[in-house]
Amino acid sequence: SAVISQKPSRDICQRGTSLTIQCQVDSQVTMMFWYRQQPGQSLTLIATANQGSEATYESGFVIDKFPISRPNLTFSTLTVSNMSPEDSSIYLCGSIQYFGPGTRLLVL
Amino acid sequence: AQSVAQPEDQVNVAEGNPLTVKCTYSVSGNPYLFWYVQYPNRGLQFLLKYITGDNLVKGSYGFEAEFNKSQTSFHLKKPSALVSDSALYFCAVRERGNTGFQKLVFGTGTRLLVSP
Repeated sequence: SAVISQKPSRDICQRGTSLTIQCQVDSQVTMMFWYRQQPGQSLTLIATANQGSEATYESGFVIDKFPISRPNLTFSTLTVSNMSPEDSSIYLCGSIQYFGPGTRLLVL
Repeated sequence: AQSVAQPEDQVNVAEGNPLTVKCTYSVSGNPYLFWYVQYPNRGLQFLLKYITGDNLVKGSYGFEAEFNKSQTSFHLKKPSALVSDSALYFCAVRERGNTGFQKLVFGTGTRLLVSP
């Protein structure tokens, strides 16, 4: 099994700012996934990140809002840009089967 | 597109009693099915998965799930519930999305409440 960590674990941000979330895996994985869990909701896939190529975004999510980096096979970042209160969610990264602990974001 | 449904928003059970959390699936081809648990203020923890083979899958923390092809179900079960099992449970199916990549599609979640 993969052990996945995320930073920060939580944050409170002001409207209009950006936050970058880091995801570290303890082993090399081909694909990393970024999910969003809005309050009281299920998980929705934002994008899939392959090393060395641009991330592939799901319908309703765009690169300008959620830029992703994947510099190597154990690390990825997700940036939530120009935040609004509607971006308040838990953001989880994962491999195809395992997930990090999540980043709890509150936008004021 | 593949999907899973969790028909119950909440399941209540007394400690020591057996518990069942229901999941039905809609897939084309052979399903890859998963169960996860989310404790308050915690991430998503993998419990078990069905890929192929035995219809009864055993997982973490004493949980098991039964794959039933004729009923298109993958219910999560535990013979004797603990208060500490109280959490949010998600069923998921792996599918190849429009992007060409494999991804997990989650159900809406079922809150399990085990009373002492």
